[in-house]
Amino acid sequence: QQQVKQSPQSLIVQKGGISIINCAYENTAFDYFPWYQQFPGKGPALLIAIRPDVSEKKEGRFTISFNKSAKQFSLHIMDSQPGDSATYFCAPWALHGSSNTGKLIFGQGTTLQVKP
Amino acid sequence: DTGVSQDPRHKITKRGQNVTFRCDPISEHNRLYWYRQTLGQGPEFLTYFQNEAQLEKSRLLSDRFSAERPKGSFSTLEIQRTEQGDSAMYLCASARATSGANVLTFGAGSRLTVL
Repeated sequence: QQQVKQSPQSLIVQKGGISIINCAYENTAFDYFPWYQQFPGKGPALLIAIRPDVSEKKEGRFTISFNKSAKQFSLHIMDSQPGDSATYFCAPWALHGSSNTGKLIFGQGTTLQVKP
Repeated sequence: DTGVSQDPRHKITKRGQNVTFRCDPISEHNRLYWYRQTLGQGPEFLTYFQNEAQLEKSRLLSDRFSAERPKGSFSTLEIQRTEQGDSAMYLCASARATSGANVLTFGAGSRLTVL
């Protein structure tokens, strides 16, 4: 799990503010970079993802920025809402050998609280 | 199809007992994953199957842990001689083997408490 380091561990943002979560990775074999969102009592769910040939991807209020040379990617949540309060995980995809199989390697998580 | 189902949702057991968790994946998904999540941490990979073949096992999966997917549909994860350190949420996820293979759909998990 040391392959993926996520920061900050927790974050408090006012409603309407911008939430930024960062992820640094070591394994250059990662080839897909998703963020998962987890609410209490639920399993993680895919929020947004990016491929390494793209530097930025936006879906609604959520944006991923990817810096391949720095081996970092980040999640930006614009106009943060109380409903965004959850735990967020970066979880890059590690290929298994030369096949197209693999697994997600999760970061430690960031607990986001958006205050009304 | 309502997603990935896990059973039981909660299990409390005494140290030394055996426990078994079941996972029913999304029907058209032929890959199935098991992860373990402890409080305040990210999920840790345990093992995964493609159809009935177990393709990879983590070193976290000690000899007391065994996972099966006998007919390529549902899977079971058994923990023998449970220890207090086994207390965690056990998450199951499924995925397609082709397009979208790296998109995992997770169940709500089975929470294990070992007393």
